[in-house]
Amino acid sequence: NAGVTQTPKFQVLKTGQSMTLQCAQDMNHNSMYWYRQDPGMGLRLIYYSASEGTTDKGEVPDGYNVSRLKKQNFLLGLESAAPSQTSVYFCASSYGWGQNTEAFFGQGTRLTVV
Amino acid sequence: GESVGLHLPTLSVQEGDNSIINCAYSNSASDYFIWYKQESGKGPQFIIDIRSNMDKRQGQRVTVLLNKTVKHLSLQIAATQPGDSAVYFCAENGLGGGSYIPTFGRGTSLIVHP
Repeated sequence: NAGVTQTPKFQVLKTGQSMTLQCAQDMNHNSMYWYRQDPGMGLRLIYYSASEGTTDKGEVPDGYNVSRLKKQNFLLGLESAAPSQTSVYFCASSYGWGQNTEAFFGQGTRLTVV
Repeated sequence: GESVGLHLPTLSVQEGDNSIINCAYSNSASDYFIWYKQESGKGPQFIIDIRSNMDKRQGQRVTVLLNKTVKHLSLQIAATQPGDSAVYFCAENGLGGGSYIPTFGRGTSLIVHP
């Protein structure tokens, strides 16, 4: 049981380049989330998806887009990378509601934009 | 806006001591809180949760206390071990779009000295 898997683990981009961060979960969770974590700060929500085919903005969505075409996958896109997007990105999933709603996190993607 | 925060950014303790990590929340409507542990280079992991209809919940070596009157949470770790060294986050599960959405505070770095 792999849990939440993020790819890639590390990435260096030049300013203006685009890329997609991949996230997959095998727990049949309804909800998925993308967070970013900057030094000395907590995790800030970028986007979330309460179910397959739906997405909503979080606290810091500017400069990002997402897609949830399949229940097990949640993709985070950067259309034109900026140095301010240098961060560690975490994907998470949960049942979303009900009794057990703790989030399970991937190992993170460390992104550097130069 | 609503926020979840922590009083102390760093806590240093001796091995074998008890540790107490505090967290303040501001959304009085919150009814579900979770503590996560994040080890270096990894994603956060669930430790323990508590619902607003409870004052206290115990796990293995950990206890979470909830004081709704002053909107305060604490995580107590008994007989702290070097393996407990990590950053600890409290998260508030708010509802949005049909899903619980974890909102994180800044985190407290726990350093355990042997």
